[in-house]
Amino acid sequence: SYVLTQPPSVSVAPGQTARIACGGNNIGSHSVHWYQQKPGQAPVLVVYDNTDRPSGIPERFSGSNSENTATLTISRVEAGDEADYYCQMWDSNSDNHVIFGGGTKLTVL
Amino acid sequence: QLQLVQSGAEVRKPGSSVKVSCKASGDTFNSHIITWVRQAPGQGLEWMGRIIPVLGRGNYAQKFQGRVTITADKSTGTAYMEVNRLKSDDTAVYYCAREVGVKSWIDPWGQGTLVTVSS
Repeated sequence: SYVLTQPPSVSVAPGQTARIACGGNNIGSHSVHWYQQKPGQAPVLVVYDNTDRPSGIPERFSGSNSENTATLTISRVEAGDEADYYCQMWDSNSDNHVIFGGGTKLTVL
Repeated sequence: QLQLVQSGAEVRKPGSSVKVSCKASGDTFNSHIITWVRQAPGQGLEWMGRIIPVLGRGNYAQKFQGRVTITADKSTGTAYMEVNRLKSDDTAVYYCAREVGVKSWIDPWGQGTLVTVSS
């Protein structure tokens, strides 16, 4: 089955840019979505279909997807962005199952 | 705007069953795909399965096939997820959510239901 690989942790100083990678075989041919999860809360969709942002999500959150890596980019990082981030896709080759990456803990220094 | 509200925390013994509910409001329930995701303590997100209420048939991750049943009551706008033969490693927060479009992003999410399996 398809596997999405994320780094366990990423650290960044306030005001800098955080980039969280999600690796997968030819992931660029798939639609990838990203979620933010803060402690004790349900996940929140921050980017869908590789590059689109839901209503209410700051423009500082953006996504890209090419070849074997999808990336969530958070510009001008704030303390409130500290959270776990998960990538997700739909695997049409696996009975239409939903797949999540293992998650990345973003620490704001 | 669809909102999903789940039932409260549960404690069960190993070998028993638990049924978690997920009530929809604010939008037409039947036209959506309701999906279930769980998260063990300190772990990542794990997809369990989905249901399209208008079709009434569940679709499950292989790991949960035969042990998990997802159903929907169109009359009340409520989805249910039942786990049988509970084990201690089924202790987790269980989320219902809407799966959107053919590319299956997930939004919004319910608030989560903690299920604790302990003897």
